[in-house]
Amino acid sequence: GIQVEQSPPDLILQEGANSTLRCNFSDSVNNLQWFHQNPWGQLINLFYIPSGTKQNGRLSATTVATERYSLLYISSSQTTDSGVYFCAVEAGNNRKLIWGLGTSLAVNP
Amino acid sequence: GAGVSQSPRYKVAKRGQDVALRCDPISGHVSLFWYQQALGQGPEFLTYFQNEAQLDKSGLPSDRFFAERPEGSVSTLKIQRTQQEDSAVYLCASSWGFGSGNTIYFGEGSWLTVV
Repeated sequence: GIQVEQSPPDLILQEGANSTLRCNFSDSVNNLQWFHQNPWGQLINLFYIPSGTKQNGRLSATTVATERYSLLYISSSQTTDSGVYFCAVEAGNNRKLIWGLGTSLAVNP
Repeated sequence: GAGVSQSPRYKVAKRGQDVALRCDPISGHVSLFWYQQALGQGPEFLTYFQNEAQLDKSGLPSDRFFAERPEGSVSTLKIQRTQQEDSAVYLCASSWGFGSGNTIYFGEGSWLTVV
């Protein structure tokens, strides 16, 4: 089955710093989403981005489907950005999301 | 309700006990998903409903796991004869439409510990 790899696994930032998180996937996908899981376990959908670039405030994402990777950019990080960022993909006709192991981000004040 | 609601939030079960986990999706959402998340891992797909029809149950780990959504709204995930390896967070999610492009909303999860 399709494999999803995320890097780095862990990241520590000072407040105000920028960062780039990467997601590689092993096969063609028809859906790619980025999620943030806060320290209390709540998962929030950040982007639906099977291709192209999207921006939402301090966050933006780019997916290059032909090269099978996606990037999530966090600018001017805040302590509330802490948590785990997951990339998840969907391939084929089912609605099953395949998830990476996540990038655990800690933003220090 | 305003979001996906799951209950109980926390459950401690003795090995061999049956448990039932409830999910109230966002009103009007036709798609409903169950995922299992072990500590330090990403969520893993369990099953998917479109209204009351269970279209995919390929992720259910064994025949001890059963899910239903009889009226196309509330869903229940039942685990029979719980084992220690069932300890995990069980996440329910819903989305408005059928297609992949619909935003998926997750509940806060039901944290199951089997002792």
